[in-house]
Amino acid sequence: GDSVTQMEGPVTLSEEAFLTINCTYTATGYPSLFWYVQYPGEGLQLLLKATKADDKGSNKGFEATYRKETTSFHLEKGSVQVSDSAVYFCGIMDSWGKFQFGAGTQVVVTP
Amino acid sequence: KAGVTQTPRYLIKTRGQQVTLSCSPISGHRSVSWYQQTPGQGLQFLFEYFSETQRNKGNFPGRFSGRQFSNSRSEMNVSTLELGDSALYLCASSLAIEGGNYGYTFGSGTRLTVV
Repeated sequence: GDSVTQMEGPVTLSEEAFLTINCTYTATGYPSLFWYVQYPGEGLQLLLKATKADDKGSNKGFEATYRKETTSFHLEKGSVQVSDSAVYFCGIMDSWGKFQFGAGTQVVVTP
Repeated sequence: KAGVTQTPRYLIKTRGQQVTLSCSPISGHRSVSWYQQTPGQGLQFLFEYFSETQRNKGNFPGRFSGRQFSNSRSEMNVSTLELGDSALYLCASSLAIEGGNYGYTFGSGTRLTVV
């Protein structure tokens, strides 16, 4: 079945550092790819998405590109802020609407 | 427009009791999914309902059940609660048109504590 693998956390960074969170997936067909973010005590919020190969999703300075050849959807941000401290989830959705999440990666940004 | 609304936000129950959680999806969304989130197991899929029919189901015991009403609102029920059922229960809604690529919109969750 479909699966998503994310790098384990926590990832600890200083403010203004570059952030990368790796995400790879296995799936049949052509899933849509998503990144969600969860702040403490809250539900998940959609951060960005990409629906076909080579699409780039972007939001709030975060970017991720749908790489079909490497089945990856790595999340990047050029300069993180303390407010970016959260748990980030990579996810895939097949054409039937079935969703699969990765285990989540906690990011801690220190001043 | 209103987001996904989950009630209650917090709940404390005793072992052996049963509990019902409610989720109101975004207007127009016909798919509602439920997830259990715990520190040890992460996000685990419970089930998904679409147009009042359970379309997908995760690997949870029969104590966990759900339903969806004609207005797309959904409830999940857990019977004979165990300590291990303590978790954040998240509901998510989606347009989920076949062949579509819509993501989920999540509610803030219901924090269930079993004592």
